[in-house]
Amino acid sequence: GENVEQHPSTLSVQEGDSAVIKCTYSDSASNYFPWYKQELGKRPQLIIDIRSNVGEKKDQRIAVTLNKTAKHFSLHITETQPEDSAVYFCAASSGQAGTALIFGKGTTLSVSS
Amino acid sequence: DGGITQSPKYLFRKEGQNVTLSCEQNLNHDAMYWYRQDPGQGLRLIYYSQIVNDFQKGDIAEGYSVSREKKESFPLTVTSAQKNPTAFYLCASSISGVSYGYTFGSGTRLTVV
Repeated sequence: GENVEQHPSTLSVQEGDSAVIKCTYSDSASNYFPWYKQELGKRPQLIIDIRSNVGEKKDQRIAVTLNKTAKHFSLHITETQPEDSAVYFCAASSGQAGTALIFGKGTTLSVSS
Repeated sequence: DGGITQSPKYLFRKEGQNVTLSCEQNLNHDAMYWYRQDPGQGLRLIYYSQIVNDFQKGDIAEGYSVSREKKESFPLTVTSAQKNPTAFYLCASSISGVSYGYTFGSGTRLTVV
């Protein structure tokens, strides 16, 4: 089955800096890669996703890149703000009927002002 | 107002007792999922269901059971066979399959004493 590795487990940056979180996956059939943000005490929320027919996707200050050959994908947050502080999870799935998302272990991002 | 509701928010049980966690959605989603969240472990898949009266085991199904008698409901029973049941449990749903992302419930924190 699918296995998703996520690094780093913790990340501390200064406000205004960029943050990068990386994930690798094992199943070459995976073609859907979402990222979730979980603030303290709240439910995970989808912030961006990418499918395997796209190499990069951007939404304001966040972007995701995908390298299918190397089986890794990354989340990039530019101009970080204190409200970006949260736990971020990557996930992967083949997207086929009868499958479910497999998540990485999460990255705790702390943005200090 | 559509959404996914988990109840109760906090649950305490004595060791050796079975307990059922509720998950209800009014989003007309076909698929529903149960994950367990432990510190530093990410979200681990327990069970999932794509259609009524059908469900599949996830990576950590031992000691858990589910039913899917109605499209809107996917209750999870934590049995006495689960060795370490104290955790935060998240329910999620998606339109059909996984490529549209999940909507998560707010979670149930189960403490077994």
